[in-house]
Amino acid sequence: SQQGEEDPQALSIQEGENATMNCSYKTSINNLQWYRQNSGRGLVHLILIRSNEREKHSGRLRVTLDTSKKSSSLLITASRAADTASYFCATDAETSGSRLTFGEGTQLTVNP
Amino acid sequence: GAGVSQSPSNKVTEKGKDVELRCDPISGHTALYWYRQSLGQGLEFLIYFQGNSAPDKSGLPSDRFSAERTGGSVSTLTIQRTQQEDSAVYLCASSSTQGLNQPQHFGDGTRLSIL
Repeated sequence: SQQGEEDPQALSIQEGENATMNCSYKTSINNLQWYRQNSGRGLVHLILIRSNEREKHSGRLRVTLDTSKKSSSLLITASRAADTASYFCATDAETSGSRLTFGEGTQLTVNP
Repeated sequence: GAGVSQSPSNKVTEKGKDVELRCDPISGHTALYWYRQSLGQGLEFLIYFQGNSAPDKSGLPSDRFSAERTGGSVSTLTIQRTQQEDSAVYLCASSSTQGLNQPQHFGDGTRLSIL
């Protein structure tokens, strides 16, 4: 099965609520990255967390990484309708030479 | 500054025809990647170029797929004798170096439809 699997596959929340998405992976990694994709557009890099980091913040985003469990979570606080998009985790495996392996994404819908 | 540019944005062609997809990476970026995204799915790695090194072609699904990168900048992905299963969005990304911990910058993709 795939490196980088997100759950849930879909998440629907109200504006102002927090959204949490999870990602699991299988091999040792250099880093894990989260990307966002609006419908019909390319991916936009959100945040990168290195394998020796446990938590990272960027604005309303908080990412955690647990290498012992091979898992990561992305928390979006105080969500907005504009946060509606698909969110993907991607792993840069130690043996991959910087190619990224993506999960299938979480579709987030934030209702106004 | 300009981001990654891909052309065409949409391509419809008949089964059996050849297609060429183009990617202009961010100026100065040495690493360039091609991915394929089927509807509602994640990204599937196809090929990776880094500077003058031999490309990593390990993700190309068949010998009908090829790519080149001229002068270390523009890249073209060619699909010969297209099949319906080739229908997907083809995304290109670039990053500043091969080094670890570099984010990738994506274009908006080419949506390819094979009739």
